[in-house]
Amino acid sequence: DGGITQSPKYLFRKEGQNVTLSCEQNLNHDAMYWYRQDPGQGLRLIYYSQIVNDFQKGDIAEGYSVSREKKESFPLTVTSAQKNPTAFYLCASSQIGRTSTVTQYFGPGTRLTVL
Amino acid sequence: GQNIDQPTEMTATEGATVQINCTYQTSGFNGLFWYQQHAGEAPTFLSYNVLDGLEEKGRFSSFLSRSKGYSYLLLKELQMKDSASYLCAVPYGGATNKLIFGTGTLLAVQP
Repeated sequence: DGGITQSPKYLFRKEGQNVTLSCEQNLNHDAMYWYRQDPGQGLRLIYYSQIVNDFQKGDIAEGYSVSREKKESFPLTVTSAQKNPTAFYLCASSQIGRTSTVTQYFGPGTRLTVL
Repeated sequence: GQNIDQPTEMTATEGATVQINCTYQTSGFNGLFWYQQHAGEAPTFLSYNVLDGLEEKGRFSSFLSRSKGYSYLLLKELQMKDSASYLCAVPYGGATNKLIFGTGTLLAVQP
């Protein structure tokens, strides 16, 4: 069964702690993405990666870090520098679109609550 | 710059037809996506339009007018399970795989 998995589904952390969200895909997609979703706002791009060992900042990268050591995996770390980390985090993947737009497919999401 | 506008909420009756609009402003248009998202779940892909006109997929159809910067999603024979948010998204920044999303339209289907 091909798909994208994110774990855990719910995560609670104390303020000031770093936390890492997992994202794995077995769709053989080259590109992976992290988005953040807040009530009343559209999905906002945090980071994306088009190839192993390379990634680019999205629109709201401050306070976040990522790594892409394997094609299948793109973990996101929410650091203590992120001022408002409580949100729903969505991971997505896609083929690489060299000449045409490609469809992104999403994982089930992780709801992070910082207490 | 780039911008997407969608109505915040809509209500419709089971069995009816509803149209959800999306207007966008982007440089270098490269297609428009519609996703469905149930509360607390992942967005799921519904449609992609890059040429003008209507594309039909079962009960769901999507329309695009590039000259007007306008799209709509048409949902026919509404079912209770269609209650969800519907997200409109377009690529931006000259890239083919960076998307900007609208805030979504929350559709409530009533019996």
